[in-house]
Amino acid sequence: GNSVTQMEGPVTLSEEAFLTINCTYTATGYPSLFWYVQYPGEGLQLLLKATKADDKGSNKGFEATYRKETTSFHLEKGSVQVSDSAVYFCALLHSSASKIIFGSGTRLSIRP
Amino acid sequence: DAGITQSPRYKITETGRQVTLMCHQTWSHSYMFWYRQDLGHGLRLIYYSAAADITDKGEVPDGYVVSRSKTENFPLTLESATRSQTSVYFCASSERGNTEAFFGQGTRLTVV
Repeated sequence: GNSVTQMEGPVTLSEEAFLTINCTYTATGYPSLFWYVQYPGEGLQLLLKATKADDKGSNKGFEATYRKETTSFHLEKGSVQVSDSAVYFCALLHSSASKIIFGSGTRLSIRP
Repeated sequence: DAGITQSPRYKITETGRQVTLMCHQTWSHSYMFWYRQDLGHGLRLIYYSAAADITDKGEVPDGYVVSRSKTENFPLTLESATRSQTSVYFCASSERGNTEAFFGQGTRLTVV
């Protein structure tokens, strides 16, 4: 079946460090891929998405590229800020399924 | 205000009691979802609905009941609450089954 695996946290970085959060998926065909972010005490917000192979989603300095050959959608940011501290969820949506499947989430903490 | 709202934000109830969590969206989205978020499990789908009067089970439906008499509302009922249902519950909606979902702010439910 469809599934998402993302790196376990917590991840702790210093401000201005480079961030990578790994995400791989298992699915048939070509699912849409998402990164959601959850700030403390809030619901999930869509951070970025990609709907086909080689698409790059980007928002707020974050990027992720849909890699069909490695079934991956790693999240990257060149210089993180304290305000990026949150839990990040990788997710997929198969066009035939109509429900989003989430990874287990990665907690990111950025220290000043 | 447009968007998706959940109520209450916090609820404490006793084992065996019935409790209903409310979800309301103003976008006229066809699809609505209920997830629960627990440490170590990420988000798990409880129930979803493709349209008014159409509902289907997700990954963890036992102990929950849903209804959708109107497009904009999707209440979740715990018929006889158990301690294992202590969790944070998120409602979400999407325009169609193959697009991203938008989340409410969550309801933190504690069953004592």
